[in-house]
Amino acid sequence: DSGVTQTPKHLITATGQRVTLRCSPRSGDLSVYWYQQSLDQGLQFLIQYYNGEERAKGNILERFSAQQFPDLHSELNLSSLELGDSALYFCASSVLPRDTQYFGPGTRLTVL
Amino acid sequence: AQSVTQLDSQVPVFEEAPVELRCNYSSSVSVYLFWYVQYPNQGLQLLLKYLSGSTLVKGINGFEAEFNKSQTSFHLRKPSVHISDTAEYFCAVSDLLGKLIFGQGTELSVKP
Repeated sequence: DSGVTQTPKHLITATGQRVTLRCSPRSGDLSVYWYQQSLDQGLQFLIQYYNGEERAKGNILERFSAQQFPDLHSELNLSSLELGDSALYFCASSVLPRDTQYFGPGTRLTVL
Repeated sequence: AQSVTQLDSQVPVFEEAPVELRCNYSSSVSVYLFWYVQYPNQGLQLLLKYLSGSTLVKGINGFEAEFNKSQTSFHLRKPSVHISDTAEYFCAVSDLLGKLIFGQGTELSVKP
């Protein structure tokens, strides 16, 4: 158990819908990262937050957004969902940027 | 820009045999390197990391890796594998902001 929690574990929804994925970092970690894992793209970095502020963005679609709240938990919002958004979404956390990242168990999103 | 290449997509090996999973990286800045393992239907678990210092890094479950700057490699080794080592292994490099750039993964299959 890494100490990073993600909810829900599984999510099945339809095209065009909007979902919210939630992540609680390890106690004391200020940085939160979101990654997407799919068969065709592999593991891709989406976005990074540090102490509530956005630090870095990867190839995150405009339909996707995220935020980190004052209690340091983070949410990833995915809207206008397409079939190709079906993937495993991982959250990771670290104390500071460039420290070791610890990964949550992931949320498996299936878009039908 | 950083990148990671895992040279083998699949590595089949018999139980108790040695194994090497190969990883090459490219980076224009000082590197932090990582190996993560993903067991079926689970998140990513840190095996080991290289930040600085000794080029031979020991990790969990009997794995070790050697950082070779001249060859830009960070190969993962284990002298004797078990059935329970069957999993997907990811090599990653950290950029200056901390985001991880992953290789495509190597599927290690240990056969009895």
